[in-house]
Amino acid sequence: GAGVSQSPSNKVTEKGKDVELRCDPISGHTALYWYRQSLGQGLEFLIYFQGNSAPDKSGLPSDRFSAERTGGSVSTLTIQRTQQEDSAVYLCASSPRGLSYEQYFGPGTRLTVT
Amino acid sequence: QQQVKQSPQSLIVQKGGISIINCAYENTAFDYFPWYQQFPGKGPALLIAIRPDVSEKKEGRFTISFNKSAKQFSLHIMDSQPGDSATYFCAAKTETGFQKLVFGTGTRLLVSP
Repeated sequence: GAGVSQSPSNKVTEKGKDVELRCDPISGHTALYWYRQSLGQGLEFLIYFQGNSAPDKSGLPSDRFSAERTGGSVSTLTIQRTQQEDSAVYLCASSPRGLSYEQYFGPGTRLTVT
Repeated sequence: QQQVKQSPQSLIVQKGGISIINCAYENTAFDYFPWYQQFPGKGPALLIAIRPDVSEKKEGRFTISFNKSAKQFSLHIMDSQPGDSATYFCAAKTETGFQKLVFGTGTRLLVSP
């Protein structure tokens, strides 16, 4: 079946602009995660949605970052007033209910802030 | 603070050799320990996982060894192949509250032909 998809695959933006990154999880997966991966670095947790519960936003690095998940499916990560340090690959993952160790990752969106 | 420490940062192994990657955790509130494999330009993919009540799990050439008392676990890749060249992440799943994965910093493995 279809895996996790993300769009766009690449995004170049100017410093100060807002960007929106989209994630389409695997159908039926109740949990959705956003991570940030800087060049050669590990995975930095950003935010976690589980069903209709309030999201875990504990990983968001600043109030310029926000995310929403509509209808328990598609999610959008928004970065306002982008800074050069926001340049990274943003990864989305989803998992079935009760199996949160088994996360299925999308290919990521490479964001470059110039 | 929940942390998972991973070593080495990078590893070069000859084809046919054994690759060993180590991880250690500090917080005991973890109940699952998966390993993920990431190829360049791709998202990570689940490779193998182990529960803390099991000391070893083997799937093909990949084996996880788990030492609960030492709070350490490791990935062994037997008969390493050039196709195994990738970045490997260990992780630990929190067992309460928001159940999420805490990832190690990754090990870049290169298997030379």
